[in-house]
Formats: sequence, C-alpha cells, structure tokens
Amino acid sequence: EVQLVQSGAEVKKPGESLKISCKGSGYSFTSYWIGWVRQMPGKGLEWMGIIYPGDSDTRYSPSFQGQVTISADKSISTAYLQWSSLKASDTAMYYCARLVVVGGSPDAFDIWGQGTMVTVSS
Amino acid sequence: QSVLTQPPSASGTPGQRVTISCSGSSSNIGSNYVYWYQQLPGTAPKLLIYRNNQRPSGVPDRFSGSKSGTSASLAISGLRSEDEADYYCAAWDDSLSGRDWVFGGGTKLTVL
Repeated sequence: EVQLVQSGAEVKKPGESLKISCKGSGYSFTSYWIGWVRQMPGKGLEWMGIIYPGDSDTRYSPSFQGQVTISADKSISTAYLQWSSLKASDTAMYYCARLVVVGGSPDAFDIWGQGTMVTVSS
Repeated sequence: QSVLTQPPSASGTPGQRVTISCSGSSSNIGSNYVYWYQQLPGTAPKLLIYRNNQRPSGVPDRFSGSKSGTSASLAISGLRSEDEADYYCAAWDDSLSGRDWVFGGGTKLTVL
C-alpha cells in the first residue's frame, strides 16, 4: 500500500525549534516530489513547498521562503519540515503529500499523510 | 486572500445536484489543469478530480469536474449525507520565478 506516515503532534513554546517528518512507503520514494501544506485552525489549505528526494531539489512558496526548511533523507524514505524559531502563528496542521509528475510536468498531489498538528504556545 | 476564488459555502438536499465554482486567472486556471480535493471533517484532503475532469480510481462518477477559460466547476449529483465536507480547487500558477501550487479558499458543503 502506498502511504505517507507523519510524525506525531507537537506542543512547543515560541522561539523553540522543531522538525517534523513524513515517511513514504509502498513506492519508489526517490521518484516522486513531496510537498508540504499548512492548514491553520478553521482555515484553508496553503502550499508551502516541495522537494525531490532523489536529489533534494527544493522549491518554496514565496509566502514560506525563509520561514521554514524542507529537506529529505532518501536513505530512510523520509521528508522533513523544520523551523528554527517557532511563533504562535505557526500553530497549524501540517500535511505532506506526494506529487505526481506526468511528461515532465507537475500534476496532482495524489497521496496525503495523516497530518501533524503543531501547537506553539507559551 | 486566496489566489483562486470559491464560494465559502454551498448546500443541497439528498439526491440533489450541486455545483461549486472556482475562479482564477490566465496564469493558473487559464493555462493549467484544475484539481479538486475533498476534506471530510477531521481528515486529510483527498484527491477527487485531476486534470480538470478525471476521477482517480475509487471516486464515484457522481463527482465531475469541468473547466472553461479561467473558471472551473465541481458538480456533485445524487447528493448524499457523506458528501458533507470542505472542497478545495487547486492549480499550478505560472509566475516569473517558476510554478507555484495555489488553492482556492475552500467551500463548505452542507447536506440539509
């Protein structure tokens, strides 16, 4: 079964660092891009960026450039999303998703992780 | 403010047909495919429609998508109580710096 399994919920204080993970299984992890999506409480979906685990090529949404770091370790089929200094406004559910590429063009995010809830509060 | 514009809410009674609109621009819907996602309460989004009007395996044919110019629509026929969810449209947006993925603000569908 193709699936993405994310790390568990986190509760952090402002200023702390955090790294959450997304582990792929059931497919060739290095052959698909992985994207990250934020959903703030009661709000819609926001695309944060994508990474190609095969060569760690990364692209960020302009809204999140410089705010987070996306990385991957292909040896363990895992992608990461990290913050160096959390803010209360980072409180949200974060989803990873697999991106299908067709004919060299990005297509759909077809498989999604279950989400990781990050709560930042003093 | 989302790049793609959707109505915040929609509703219908069981058995009815409802449509949800999604409006964009020439840099996104006008030149790229449209995708639709369904998010049931408390769950992750699920791909519902890809490349304007294609259904992934397992998605009932009650769900259909269409696109015209810079707008797209999702239609749900034979509405069921289990269709009550948030629906998001999405597309790739061609900017000067490359391609960005953009979502609509989401439409909350209520089955009355």
